[in-house]
Amino acid sequence: DAGVIQSPRHEVTEMGQEVTLRCKPISGHNSLFWYRQTMMRGLELLIYFNNNVPIDDSGMPEDRFSAKMPNASFSTLKIQPSEPRDSAVYFCASSKTGGPEAFFGQGTRLTVV
Amino acid sequence: GIQVEQSPPDLILQEGANSTLRCNFSDSVNNLQWFHQNPWGQLINLFYIPSGTKQNGRLSATTGATERYSLLYISSSQTTDSGVYFCAVGRSSNTGKLIFGQGTTLQVKP
Repeated sequence: DAGVIQSPRHEVTEMGQEVTLRCKPISGHNSLFWYRQTMMRGLELLIYFNNNVPIDDSGMPEDRFSAKMPNASFSTLKIQPSEPRDSAVYFCASSKTGGPEAFFGQGTRLTVV
Repeated sequence: GIQVEQSPPDLILQEGANSTLRCNFSDSVNNLQWFHQNPWGQLINLFYIPSGTKQNGRLSATTGATERYSLLYISSSQTTDSGVYFCAVGRSSNTGKLIFGQGTTLQVKP
């Protein structure tokens, strides 16, 4: 199994630009999660989907952040416009529906200058 | 929400030593996982252990669900064990939605 695949691995962008992070969950997993890791706040859940439907987006920091899951094998997290405080590592994870164990991708390190 | 506290925050060991990492949580949970974040940043699943005891090689874990704690044991530590160990919990056993502790940073010296 290929595991959760995220792209890009690293992204450097200028403040005000749009950033799109991508995730392919493990085949057969119906739940998908976006987490953000910062030194100040640690690992925190931004949003999660079940069967492509957003279930809980209470962790999304503000309207500049949006996430979509157009099909079972692809999700995006978009930041528009980006700000320096968005610099972090963004992780995508997936789990089987009804299964509690989450598996993480390698993360995208975002730097906004 | 559920609070997750890990201790110690930092740990330095000599290769070959044993260690115990602790995770306390503030409410009942039905999901508990331990992860190792290696120096390259990857989060690696170690255990799914909402209750009971499990072992995998030099690592073992035990969770006291009623007492609201979990312990991760590392025996005969190796330099490759270095990194950050996270405990993460969830209320539901039906989803991988997790709340993470702040982690224990382990450095194993040769």
